[in-house]
Amino acid sequence: QKEVEQDPGPLSVPEGAIVSLNCTYSNSAFQYFMWYRQYSRKGPELLMYTYSSGNKEDGRFTAQVDKSSKYISLFIRDSQPSDSATYLCAMSGGGYNKLIFGAGTRLAVHP
Amino acid sequence: DTGVSQDPRHKITKRGQNVTFRCDPISEHNRLYWYRQTLGQGPEFLTYFQNEAQLEKSRLLSDRFSAERPKGSFSTLEIQRTEQGDSAMYLCASSRVDNFYGYTFGSGTRLTVV
Repeated sequence: QKEVEQDPGPLSVPEGAIVSLNCTYSNSAFQYFMWYRQYSRKGPELLMYTYSSGNKEDGRFTAQVDKSSKYISLFIRDSQPSDSATYLCAMSGGGYNKLIFGAGTRLAVHP
Repeated sequence: DTGVSQDPRHKITKRGQNVTFRCDPISEHNRLYWYRQTLGQGPEFLTYFQNEAQLEKSRLLSDRFSAERPKGSFSTLEIQRTEQGDSAMYLCASSRVDNFYGYTFGSGTRLTVV
């Protein structure tokens, strides 16, 4: 079993929809939780970063962490075609070193 | 400073050849990381440096792989006697030692072993 599980999709939604992306994890030592966006043939780009449990909002993006359930989510409101990309969750146990990634969810937002 | 720079962007090599990739991190970042990403998967950690010291290596980093970061600046990742299974995107990232916000990835080097 992988430490971080993420549904690879693909997920196809119409423009303007609310998108929900999720990851589960097994390692209770994870404290830092991140969401990255990756366009084709590009490196991952940090979208959201959360420490421990709770919610964080940044524009159209909301990240949620539920450590008791070992479950994290990313919500995208008013989705745009430019949001079409692969979304990767990533986690770390501390020490600000290596990240453990999920497999990524491919999202397509169609006009 | 425009971010993490990786060179080359794409490398095609024959099986059994050696290849070397270069990563130039963001100048004020003292940590540098190498990851490998295969198609349809998330990046997998290979190794990281703090300044010039290599502090952790993944079991994925076989004896054919070696990474260096002389003088704590740029880093190189060498793969000796390449195999078809080495075909992947090799990503470099850098960060400050105390902050995830600036954990920045380069665009990667795509290796194809034929």
